[in-house]
Amino acid sequence: AQSVAQPEDQVNVAEGNPLTVKCTYSVSGNPYLFWYVQYPNRGLQFLLKYITGDNLVKGSYGFEAEFNKSQTSFHLKKPSALVSDSALYFCAVTGRGNTGKLIFGQGTTLQVKP
Amino acid sequence: ETGVTQTPRHLVMGMTNKKSLKCEQHLGHNAMYWYKQSAKKPLELMFVYNFKEQTENNSVPSRFSPECPNSSHLFLHLHTLQPEDSALYLCASSQGQGGYGYTFGSGTRLTVV
Repeated sequence: AQSVAQPEDQVNVAEGNPLTVKCTYSVSGNPYLFWYVQYPNRGLQFLLKYITGDNLVKGSYGFEAEFNKSQTSFHLKKPSALVSDSALYFCAVTGRGNTGKLIFGQGTTLQVKP
Repeated sequence: ETGVTQTPRHLVMGMTNKKSLKCEQHLGHNAMYWYKQSAKKPLELMFVYNFKEQTENNSVPSRFSPECPNSSHLFLHLHTLQPEDSALYLCASSQGQGGYGYTFGSGTRLTVV
């Protein structure tokens, strides 16, 4: 069965510091991996995805994520956090290309303090 | 705007009322989804439609009744709801299913009184 784990309910970072939001997954076959961000009372917005190729994927708002096959991880990173990055972040995975349903993690709240 | 429009944005209804949530997408996607997001934040998948046909119902109570008249429109009909049904209801669409990702609407904030 496919699954996604976001081990941290909340991540706290000071503005200007690097941030990491963790995600691990379990799928059969090659994974398609996604990160979404949700601001209060809004829908989820696409940040970035990994399908194939370079393990380091760059996305919107200066975010990037690194695919690590051996550790089955896809951690979200940003070199310098902004207060405006404070939001809820979801990792998602499917293991069957464009025929597989997306499985979402539980979400991680990112709090960036000035 | 993401291309997926949900109306209304906010809805307050009594437990004996009947109301409907609407979702519309003009992205040419063939799959549509309803999610419930309560205050504890995880997304709960409710229903999946592919080419207008329901392909998944995750044990959702019958007081929630989905309707998909075509690939561009999705409704969620509500009747005799309970206060614990208060939540953010999100609609999403996709081309195929997972591989291209989902596009989400802004959601309907439902309060049952």
